[in-house]
Amino acid sequence: NAGVMQNPRHLVRRRGQEARLRCSPMKGHSHVYWYRQLPEEGLKFMVYLQKENIIDESGMPKERFSAEFPKEGPSILRIQQVVRGDSAAYFCASSPAGGGDYGYTFGSGTRLTVV
Amino acid sequence: QKEVEQNSGPLSVPEGAIASLNCTYSDRGSQSFFWYRQYSGKSPELIMFIYSNGDKEDGRFTAQLNKASQYVSLLIRDSQPSDSATYLCAVNARNNAGNMLTFGGGTRLMVKP
Repeated sequence: NAGVMQNPRHLVRRRGQEARLRCSPMKGHSHVYWYRQLPEEGLKFMVYLQKENIIDESGMPKERFSAEFPKEGPSILRIQQVVRGDSAAYFCASSPAGGGDYGYTFGSGTRLTVV
Repeated sequence: QKEVEQNSGPLSVPEGAIASLNCTYSDRGSQSFFWYRQYSGKSPELIMFIYSNGDKEDGRFTAQLNKASQYVSLLIRDSQPSDSATYLCAVNARNNAGNMLTFGGGTRLMVKP
């Protein structure tokens, strides 16, 4: 029973390039959440998605960041024209419907380094 | 005002002592409460959940919930150096977006041998 799968585990991008982070939720989970964590800081909520729908993107920066969760395939967090300040750990979590009642399961994260 | 508050620490306890981690929340309608443990460089891992007032025990861990006072705590008995981590409190919140968890900033626990 595979957990939440994130890839790549580590991603290095030069300033100005695009970063694509992928997340496959646990089997039976239909809700996906993306978080960003800077070193020595807490989790910062970015976006909450269900299949083909963005439910809450209140934590997403207005520019350069986008997320999707298509009918088929993993959820994608896309960062265009990366800057050094985008360097962070990005965690994806998934839950069944009513995730706030049952808790989230987190993936291992993608560590993005912008050079 | 933050919706879920935790003391950032570090909380330092000697090996074998009881570590007490506290969390307060602002949404009186919250019904579900979770504790996650996050080791440095790793992802958060769910270790306890509690829905009803009172205590819930699981091995060396006890979660305590007091809805009237809007706080939830985690006790770790016989603390071990391997318990050194950041502990995140999470509380459900019903809003226009549905039923989501709100995380506190975490308390860093250090257990000294």
